[in-house]
Amino acid sequence: DAGVTQSPTHLIKTRGQQVTLRCSPKSGHDTVSWYQQALGQGPQFIFQYYEEEERQRGNFPDRFSGHQFPNYSSELNVNALLLGDSALYLCASQGRDSYQGEQFFGPGTRLTVL
Amino acid sequence: KNQVEQSPQSLIILEGKNCTLQCNYTVSPFSNLRWYKQDTGRGPVSLTIMTFSENTKSNGRYTATLDADTKQSSLHITASQLSDSASYICVVSVNPLNYGGSQGNLIFGKGTKLSVKP
Repeated sequence: DAGVTQSPTHLIKTRGQQVTLRCSPKSGHDTVSWYQQALGQGPQFIFQYYEEEERQRGNFPDRFSGHQFPNYSSELNVNALLLGDSALYLCASQGRDSYQGEQFFGPGTRLTVL
Repeated sequence: KNQVEQSPQSLIILEGKNCTLQCNYTVSPFSNLRWYKQDTGRGPVSLTIMTFSENTKSNGRYTATLDADTKQSSLHITASQLSDSASYICVVSVNPLNYGGSQGNLIFGKGTKLSVKP
Protein backbone atom coordinates (compact mmCIF):
# COMPACT_ATOMS: atom_id res chain seq x y z
CA ASP A 1 0.00 0.00 0.00
CA ALA A 2 1.65 3.21 -1.21
CA GLY A 3 -0.34 5.48 1.07
CA VAL A 4 -1.26 8.97 -0.07
CA THR A 5 1.02 10.30 -2.77
CA GLN A 6 1.38 13.83 -4.08
CA SER A 7 3.18 15.37 -7.01
CA PRO A 8 5.25 17.31 -7.57
CA THR A 9 7.30 17.48 -4.37
CA HIS A 10 8.42 21.04 -4.96
CA LEU A 11 7.32 23.73 -7.37
CA ILE A 12 8.46 27.26 -8.10
CA LYS A 13 6.17 29.64 -9.95
CA THR A 14 5.95 33.37 -10.54
CA ARG A 15 3.10 35.70 -9.69
CA GLY A 16 0.16 35.46 -12.07
CA GLN A 17 0.92 31.95 -13.21
CA GLN A 18 -1.32 28.94 -12.75
CA VAL A 19 -0.42 25.68 -11.00
CA THR A 20 -1.87 22.17 -10.77
CA LEU A 21 -1.09 19.86 -7.88
CA ARG A 22 -1.96 16.17 -7.89
CA CYS A 23 -2.94 13.66 -5.25
CA SER A 24 -3.54 9.92 -5.26
CA PRO A 25 -5.43 8.68 -2.21
CA LYS A 26 -4.62 5.66 -0.11
CA SER A 27 -5.94 2.45 -1.59
CA GLY A 28 -9.62 1.99 -0.73
CA HIS A 29 -10.20 5.64 0.13
CA ASP A 30 -12.82 7.65 -1.75
CA THR A 31 -12.67 11.08 -0.09
CA VAL A 32 -9.92 13.62 -0.65
CA SER A 33 -9.35 16.86 1.23
CA TRP A 34 -6.87 19.62 0.44
CA TYR A 35 -5.15 21.87 2.95
CA GLN A 36 -2.83 24.87 2.76
CA GLN A 37 -0.17 25.14 5.45
CA ALA A 38 1.82 28.35 5.78
CA LEU A 39 5.14 28.22 7.59
CA GLY A 40 4.66 27.86 11.34
CA GLN A 41 0.89 27.52 11.06
CA GLY A 42 -1.59 24.67 11.22
CA PRO A 43 -3.18 23.45 7.99
CA GLN A 44 -6.11 25.46 6.64
CA PHE A 45 -8.95 23.58 4.96
CA ILE A 46 -9.39 24.36 1.26
CA PHE A 47 -12.03 21.84 0.11
CA GLN A 48 -13.09 18.22 0.15
CA TYR A 49 -14.09 15.97 -2.73
CA TYR A 50 -16.30 12.92 -2.64
CA GLU A 51 -17.82 11.08 -5.59
CA GLU A 52 -16.21 13.59 -7.95
CA GLU A 53 -18.01 16.53 -6.37
CA GLU A 54 -16.91 19.27 -4.02
CA ARG A 55 -18.64 18.44 -0.76
CA GLN A 56 -17.24 21.15 1.51
CA ARG A 57 -15.26 24.31 0.94
CA GLY A 58 -13.16 26.48 3.19
CA ASN A 59 -12.69 30.24 3.03
CA PHE A 60 -10.54 30.31 -0.08
CA PRO A 61 -11.17 32.43 -3.19
CA ASP A 62 -12.42 31.05 -6.47
CA ARG A 63 -8.83 31.07 -7.74
CA PHE A 64 -8.60 27.76 -5.91
CA SER A 65 -10.45 25.00 -7.70
CA GLY A 66 -10.30 21.25 -7.73
CA HIS A 67 -11.36 18.09 -9.37
CA GLN A 68 -11.75 14.46 -8.44
CA PHE A 69 -11.49 11.71 -11.01
CA PRO A 70 -13.38 8.39 -11.16
CA ASN A 71 -10.34 6.62 -9.68
CA TYR A 72 -10.63 9.00 -6.68
CA SER A 73 -7.40 10.85 -7.44
CA SER A 74 -7.64 14.60 -7.24
CA GLU A 75 -6.15 17.83 -8.53
CA LEU A 76 -5.86 21.24 -6.94
CA ASN A 77 -5.63 24.18 -9.33
CA VAL A 78 -4.63 27.67 -8.34
CA ASN A 79 -4.93 30.52 -10.85
CA ALA A 80 -3.38 33.97 -10.82
CA LEU A 81 -0.82 33.02 -8.19
CA LEU A 82 0.00 35.52 -5.45
CA LEU A 83 3.08 35.66 -3.25
CA GLY A 84 0.84 34.68 -0.33
CA ASP A 85 0.00 31.38 -1.98
CA SER A 86 3.48 30.14 -1.11
CA ALA A 87 2.87 27.25 1.29
CA LEU A 88 2.92 23.51 1.80
CA TYR A 89 -0.17 22.01 0.16
CA LEU A 90 -1.36 18.84 1.83
CA CYS A 91 -3.74 16.24 0.50
CA ALA A 92 -5.50 13.85 2.86
CA SER A 93 -7.68 10.86 2.11
CA GLN A 94 -10.21 8.86 4.07
CA GLY A 95 -12.52 5.96 3.39
CA ARG A 96 -15.88 4.79 4.63
CA ASP A 97 -14.09 2.31 6.88
CA SER A 98 -11.62 4.83 8.27
CA TYR A 99 -11.64 4.63 12.07
CA GLN A 100 -13.36 7.76 13.40
CA GLY A 101 -13.05 9.33 9.95
CA GLU A 102 -9.28 9.35 10.24
CA GLN A 103 -7.58 11.23 7.43
CA PHE A 104 -4.22 10.08 6.12
CA PHE A 105 -1.97 12.83 4.85
CA GLY A 106 0.39 12.83 1.92
CA PRO A 107 3.91 14.27 2.07
CA GLY A 108 2.77 17.57 0.62
CA THR A 109 3.79 19.81 -2.28
CA ARG A 110 5.93 22.81 -1.40
CA LEU A 111 4.86 25.71 -3.63
CA THR A 112 7.02 28.81 -3.82
CA VAL A 113 5.67 31.86 -5.65
CA LEU A 114 8.27 34.46 -6.64
CA LYS B 1 -16.01 29.77 15.90
CA ASN B 2 -14.40 26.41 16.59
CA GLN B 3 -10.85 26.81 17.90
CA VAL B 4 -7.94 24.71 19.09
CA GLU B 5 -5.18 26.32 21.16
CA GLN B 6 -1.85 24.66 21.86
CA SER B 7 0.90 25.44 24.32
CA PRO B 8 3.74 25.98 24.46
CA GLN B 9 4.47 27.28 20.96
CA SER B 10 7.92 25.77 21.12
CA LEU B 11 9.91 23.62 23.50
CA ILE B 12 13.53 22.56 23.79
CA ILE B 13 14.43 19.53 25.88
CA LEU B 14 17.44 17.27 26.33
CA GLU B 15 17.48 13.78 24.94
CA GLY B 16 16.11 11.26 27.41
CA LYS B 17 13.89 13.76 29.21
CA ASN B 18 10.08 13.71 29.33
CA CYS B 19 7.77 16.48 28.21
CA THR B 20 4.07 17.32 28.08
CA LEU B 21 2.29 19.32 25.41
CA GLN B 22 -1.08 20.95 26.03
CA CYS B 23 -4.19 21.43 23.92
CA ASN B 24 -7.39 23.34 24.78
CA TYR B 25 -10.35 23.37 22.46
CA THR B 26 -13.73 24.94 21.91
CA VAL B 27 -15.26 22.74 19.26
CA SER B 28 -18.84 21.69 18.87
CA PRO B 29 -20.18 19.18 18.16
CA PHE B 30 -17.14 17.19 19.25
CA SER B 31 -16.40 13.90 17.54
CA ASN B 32 -12.83 12.99 18.43
CA LEU B 33 -9.41 14.46 19.21
CA ARG B 34 -6.22 13.54 17.40
CA TRP B 35 -2.56 14.21 17.88
CA TYR B 36 -0.34 14.33 14.81
CA LYS B 37 3.44 14.47 14.47
CA GLN B 38 4.72 16.54 11.57
CA ASP B 39 8.33 16.57 10.51
CA THR B 40 9.48 19.77 8.82
CA GLY B 41 8.17 19.99 5.26
CA ARG B 42 6.31 16.68 5.51
CA GLY B 43 2.70 15.64 5.97
CA PRO B 44 1.28 15.02 9.46
CA VAL B 45 1.29 11.46 10.77
CA SER B 46 -1.36 10.31 13.24
CA LEU B 47 -0.21 9.37 16.75
CA THR B 48 -3.50 8.85 18.60
CA ILE B 49 -7.24 9.31 18.15
CA MET B 50 -9.52 9.60 21.18
CA THR B 51 -13.28 9.68 21.32
CA PHE B 52 -15.42 11.39 23.94
CA SER B 53 -15.43 8.32 26.19
CA GLU B 54 -11.69 7.72 26.13
CA ASN B 55 -9.50 9.60 28.58
CA THR B 56 -6.12 8.11 27.77
CA LYS B 57 -4.45 6.38 24.87
CA SER B 58 -0.86 5.32 24.33
CA ASN B 59 1.25 4.75 21.26
CA GLY B 60 4.71 3.62 22.30
CA ARG B 61 6.41 6.47 24.14
CA TYR B 62 3.49 8.80 23.38
CA THR B 63 0.55 8.99 25.81
CA ALA B 64 -2.40 11.27 25.15
CA THR B 65 -5.04 12.23 27.68
CA LEU B 66 -8.43 13.80 27.16
CA ASP B 67 -10.68 15.59 29.64
CA ALA B 68 -13.90 16.19 27.75
CA ASP B 69 -15.41 18.15 30.65
CA THR B 70 -12.70 20.80 30.69
CA LYS B 71 -12.02 20.39 26.95
CA GLN B 72 -8.34 19.81 27.46
CA SER B 73 -5.90 17.27 26.12
CA SER B 74 -2.24 16.60 26.68
CA LEU B 75 0.44 14.62 24.88
CA HIS B 76 3.17 13.19 27.08
CA ILE B 77 6.42 12.01 25.53
CA THR B 78 8.66 9.84 27.65
CA ALA B 79 12.39 9.24 27.25
CA SER B 80 12.63 11.65 24.34
CA GLN B 81 14.80 10.84 21.33
CA LEU B 82 16.40 13.08 18.74
CA SER B 83 13.89 11.78 16.21
CA ASP B 84 11.05 13.23 18.30
CA SER B 85 12.07 16.69 17.05
CA ALA B 86 9.02 17.80 15.08
CA SER B 87 5.82 19.80 15.34
CA TYR B 88 2.99 18.18 17.26
CA ILE B 89 -0.46 19.21 16.15
CA CYS B 90 -3.66 18.78 18.11
CA VAL B 91 -6.70 18.30 15.86
CA VAL B 92 -10.32 18.13 16.93
CA SER B 93 -12.82 16.51 14.62
CA VAL B 94 -16.33 17.88 14.28
CA ASN B 95 -19.14 15.36 14.14
CA PRO B 96 -18.97 14.18 10.51
CA LEU B 97 -22.72 14.38 10.16
CA ASN B 98 -22.42 18.15 10.32
CA TYR B 99 -21.03 18.81 6.88
CA GLY B 100 -20.89 22.27 5.39
CA GLY B 101 -18.64 24.19 7.77
CA SER B 102 -16.03 26.43 6.17
CA GLN B 103 -13.35 25.12 8.52
CA GLY B 104 -13.96 21.56 7.36
CA ASN B 105 -14.40 18.64 9.72
CA LEU B 106 -10.91 18.93 11.24
CA ILE B 107 -10.02 21.91 13.44
CA PHE B 108 -6.24 22.24 13.67
CA GLY B 109 -4.12 23.82 16.34
CA LYS B 110 -1.00 25.70 15.26
CA GLY B 111 1.22 23.04 16.76
CA THR B 112 4.02 22.88 19.30
CA LYS B 113 7.49 22.77 17.83
CA LEU B 114 9.60 20.35 19.86
CA SER B 115 13.39 20.29 19.61
CA VAL B 116 15.27 17.47 21.30
CA LYS B 117 18.94 18.24 21.86
CA PRO B 118 21.72 15.72 22.53
